[in-house]
Amino acid sequence: GAVVSQHPSWVICKSGTSVKIECRSLDFQATTMFWYRQFPKQSLMLMATSNEGSKATYEQGVEKDKFLINHASLTLSTLTVTSAHPEDSSFYICSARDPVLRRQAQQETQYFGPGTRLLVL
Amino acid sequence: GQNIDQPTEMTATEGAIVQINCTYQTSGFNGLFWYQQHAGEAPTFLSYNVLDGLEEKGRFSSFLSRSKGYSYLLLKELQMKDSASYLCAVMDSNYQLIWGAGTKLIIKP
Repeated sequence: GAVVSQHPSWVICKSGTSVKIECRSLDFQATTMFWYRQFPKQSLMLMATSNEGSKATYEQGVEKDKFLINHASLTLSTLTVTSAHPEDSSFYICSARDPVLRRQAQQETQYFGPGTRLLVL
Repeated sequence: GQNIDQPTEMTATEGAIVQINCTYQTSGFNGLFWYQQHAGEAPTFLSYNVLDGLEEKGRFSSFLSRSKGYSYLLLKELQMKDSASYLCAVMDSNYQLIWGAGTKLIIKP
């Protein structure tokens, strides 16, 4: 299956600072990547859909000025949490669809990165 | 509205069989996914069903009935490492994934 990496795997920062999380597709080119957030004992919540070369599409209730997404290449999307606050502490996970698998198998399977655990003090 | 229902928690014994059900109501249907998520880790893909019937993959099988809006994940020969949350997700007509809250499966020796 397709491999997606994330960096860093965990980060602790002070309130008010900005944190950048990278999501890379390692063995395929991803025109679309997805950013999720998951609070303890809750399901995944889609934050935004990141499209290569264009603006991200944010879900209702997600502040686009606070969660900046940049999908500058076919293998890299970044999520920057600006002016982080303790309530932003969460598990952030990215995912991507493999377009080749999508064409071949008509599959829409999303492959997830390992996640980034953010703790804002 | 759109919703996915699955049990919050299930308990089973090592070596046994367990069936995790998922019912859904979505605007359109482009497939149903099952993912496994161990505590503190990201989800990993288990199965994808878009046509009715049973898909078998080793110890795991997934079933879909589109007319009933129903799926189940069947785990056989349970092992302790199968203790995890199992997430059901449906892709709607806009190719958006609608996620269930997950079923926490506890395996006892």
